[in-house]
Amino acid sequence: AQSVTQLGSHVSVSEGALVLLRCNYSSSVPPYLFWYVQYPNQGLQLLLKYTTGATLVKGINGFEAEFKKSETSFHLTKPSAHMSDAAEYFCAASRSGGYQKVTFGTGTKLQVIP
Amino acid sequence: NAGVMQNPRHLVRRRGQEARLRCSPMKGHSHVYWYRQLPEEGLKFMVYLQKENIIDESGMPKERFSAEFPKEGPSILRIQQVVRGDSAAYFCASSPGETTQETQYFGPGTRLLVL
Repeated sequence: AQSVTQLGSHVSVSEGALVLLRCNYSSSVPPYLFWYVQYPNQGLQLLLKYTTGATLVKGINGFEAEFKKSETSFHLTKPSAHMSDAAEYFCAASRSGGYQKVTFGTGTKLQVIP
Repeated sequence: NAGVMQNPRHLVRRRGQEARLRCSPMKGHSHVYWYRQLPEEGLKFMVYLQKENIIDESGMPKERFSAEFPKEGPSILRIQQVVRGDSAAYFCASSPGETTQETQYFGPGTRLLVL
C-alpha cells in the first residue's frame, strides 16, 4: 500500500526566503506524484505533477519539485516566498498504472512572515 | 469551461438526519472521485465512480454512506443518519479519463457540520 509523509505540519518562512516543503512516499513501484495547494475554505489546486521523464518538475506560481527515487522524496521548493503563498500544501501519490486512486499526505501549512 | 461544482458549500444537519452532497464534474469529464477531509487531516479517498457505475468504494464506511453517478445529473454522496463524527469537508474531483496520467480537478468542497 502507498503512503505519503509530509514532514512538518507547520512551516514559517520570511517573505523573500526559500520555501522548502518536504514529502516522502512509500511505494514498491515509483508512483505518480503531485503537489496541491489549498487556500482557506477552498478546494485543492494542482501546483505540479510528476509522471515520467524529467525529474525536476516546474509548476505554477514559481514552485518546482524534484523526484528523487533513491531518497523516495518529492520536495517542493520556491526560491522566494511571497505573502500570497500562505496556504496549506498537500503532497499526493497515485499508482503509475490502472485508474487513479490518490493518497494524500496530511498537509503542511505555510506561513509567510512579512 | 466551468470547473467542478459542488453544492451546497455548507450544510448543517442534526444527528440522525440525512445529508446529500452534490457534485457536477467538469464538462466532458465522466470520472468522479469523492474524498473526505477531517479536521487537521489530509484528504482520504472514499469512492470512484463512472457514469452509472461504482468502480471502487473501498474508502467508503460500510454503513450509512452511499454514492451514485447517474446517467443524467450530478454525482450524489448520501449520508444517512448522520453522526457528529461525519463533520468534515467533502471534496469531489473529476477527470476526463481514468488513467493516472489524467489530472484530477477538485471542487470547492462541501463542509458538513453535524450538531
